[in-house]
Amino acid sequence: SSDLTQDPTVSVALGQTVRVTCQGDSLRSYYASWYQQKPGQAPVLVIYGKNNRPSGIPDRFSGSSSGNTASLTITGAQAEDEADYYCNSRDTSANHGVFGGGTRLTVL
Amino acid sequence: QVQLQESGPGLVQPSETLSLTCTVSGGSIGSYYWTWIRQPPGKGLEWIGYIYYSGSTIYNPSLKSRVTMSVDMSKNQFSLKLSSVTAADTAVYYCARGLVGPSREYYFDYWGQGTLVTVSS
Repeated sequence: SSDLTQDPTVSVALGQTVRVTCQGDSLRSYYASWYQQKPGQAPVLVIYGKNNRPSGIPDRFSGSSSGNTASLTITGAQAEDEADYYCNSRDTSANHGVFGGGTRLTVL
Repeated sequence: QVQLQESGPGLVQPSETLSLTCTVSGGSIGSYYWTWIRQPPGKGLEWIGYIYYSGSTIYNPSLKSRVTMSVDMSKNQFSLKLSSVTAADTAVYYCARGLVGPSREYYFDYWGQGTLVTVSS
């Protein structure tokens, strides 16, 4: 299956660490990429590859992967991190892309 | 700085064909996977498909029978056509630049702002 599964909602206290997870068979072949989306805005790439951050993304964002599970970790969550987060990967059998259903992160 | 901009009608009649164009500025259209992604109101992201700069395409299996993508390197543009649309195709449509890296990376580094397409009579 090419589906990616994410928890629909996650919450974290301000300044604490939170992990957002993504599961799927395609993650055994391709690293997940992670996107942050705030209301009314286009998604923004925050993590790609083994653990790479595009320019301008704070270093509190990090990524990891094991088997069929990828994780996005925010160390010291800030109020501005409240957003929807989507994982993405590539199905190796057909080369098509796939997104997870998204996780809404609430910073308390 | 690479920028992508979607353009096309915001309203399409049911059973007709949705047509969108993405114009790429600030960079070449070569060597990338030019991708269309959509997001129905209040829902998650859906990968529609990509066209490589050479013209090869891969589409989402669930949409494959209705999707056609093309690229015009002379204009730095790529396009999406989705036929026989219904209300379920109402969504914000994004174009994005896709990359496949040598170390199992697959990601979209630049996105358009998105354009809302409503299917309604």
